[in-house]
Amino acid sequence: GAGVSQTPSNKVTEKGKYVELRCDPISGHTALYWYRQSLGQGPEFLIYFQGTGAADDSGLPNDRFFAVRPEGSVSTLKIQRTERGDSAVYLCASSFSGTYTDTQYFGPGTRLTVL
Amino acid sequence: AQSVTQLGSHVSVSEGALVLLRCNYSSSVPPYLFWYVQYPNQGLQLLLKYTTGATLVKGINGFEAEFKKSETSFHLTKPSAHMSDAAEYFCAVSGLRGGGNKLTFGTGTQLKVEL
Repeated sequence: GAGVSQTPSNKVTEKGKYVELRCDPISGHTALYWYRQSLGQGPEFLIYFQGTGAADDSGLPNDRFFAVRPEGSVSTLKIQRTERGDSAVYLCASSFSGTYTDTQYFGPGTRLTVL
Repeated sequence: AQSVTQLGSHVSVSEGALVLLRCNYSSSVPPYLFWYVQYPNQGLQLLLKYTTGATLVKGINGFEAEFKKSETSFHLTKPSAHMSDAAEYFCAVSGLRGGGNKLTFGTGTQLKVEL
């Protein structure tokens, strides 16, 4: 079946611009996660959705970052007033129910470059 | 405080040799442990995970890992390396105190397989 998909695969923007990154989880998965992976680092947690609600947003670095999942399926990560330090690969993952032992299935990521 | 430590950012082995990638975690409560592999330009793929029960866990592609509580370790091994194993490997944990179900990753180990 279809895995997690993310669009766009690459996004180049200028400092100060607004960007939206989209994630389509595996059908039927109630849990959705966003992570950010900087060069040479492991992925870092940003936010977790259970259904439509953000159950844990403790990883969002500041209020320029926001994410939504209005219908409990597709999610959009929104970054306002982008900064060069936001450049990274943004990964989305989904899991069936969101328990601690659930396997999280990852998408290929969106590579964001802020010039 | 670093929750997951992967010793060796780069490991090189000969084809047919043993692969050993090290992972240690720091937690007063044994977490749930995962190994993911990332091939170039692809998403993270689960190799194996430890939740409860048998401490020796077998995964895909001939990999296995052993949870050792006394050593707070979850090292990944494969008896005989293949060229196709060249990739980056990430150890991750969930269920950390206050961490919920989010994955906390190590910084990764790049495995190179030489002829």
